[in-house]
Amino acid sequence: QKEVEQDPGPLSVPEGAIVSLNCTYSNSAFQYFMWYRQYSRKGPELLMYTYSSGNKEDGRFTAQVDKSSKYISLFIRDSQPSDSATYLCAMTVYSSASKIIFGSGTRLSIRP
Amino acid sequence: NAGVMQNPRHLVRRRGQEARLRCSPMKGHSHVYWYRQLPEEGLKFMVYLQKENIIDESGMPKERFSAEFPKEGPSILRIQQVVRGDSAAYFCASSPPGVANTEAFFGQGTRLTVV
Repeated sequence: QKEVEQDPGPLSVPEGAIVSLNCTYSNSAFQYFMWYRQYSRKGPELLMYTYSSGNKEDGRFTAQVDKSSKYISLFIRDSQPSDSATYLCAMTVYSSASKIIFGSGTRLSIRP
Repeated sequence: NAGVMQNPRHLVRRRGQEARLRCSPMKGHSHVYWYRQLPEEGLKFMVYLQKENIIDESGMPKERFSAEFPKEGPSILRIQQVVRGDSAAYFCASSPPGVANTEAFFGQGTRLTVV
């Protein structure tokens, strides 16, 4: 079983829709949860990170963490064609010596 | 404030040659990670280094691969005697010192092609 599971998609939605992207994980020691966006042939770009359970909002993006279910989500409101990319979840434990583990990424396409 | 710099962006090597990939972290960052990404796949952790120390190399193949992050200069990922299966995008990320690695910033990657 992978430490982090993410549906690869592809996910296609019309412009303006609300997008929900999700990951599950197995290691209960994970405490920091991150979302990255990766455009084709580019490096991943950090969107936001959250600590432990709860919500965090940044503009059109909301990250949610449910540690009891080992489930994290990223919501994108008012989706735009420029949001079309691959979204990767990532997580790590509370330690300066811990590696960051990534999901396999979900490919998202926003139709104009 | 330059971001994470990787070079070269593209590298072509013949089977059996050596590949050297370089990564200069962001200013003030002392942690470096290397990841490999195959087409249509996620990022696979390879190695995590701090200055002059390998912290976690659990993702590195046992043979032919090595990494270093010297006191001065960039981090180097070295692949000896490359094979076709080594063809991939290799990404480096860096993060600032601290109690937890929550903000890792990535370079644009080096795309290695073995012919």
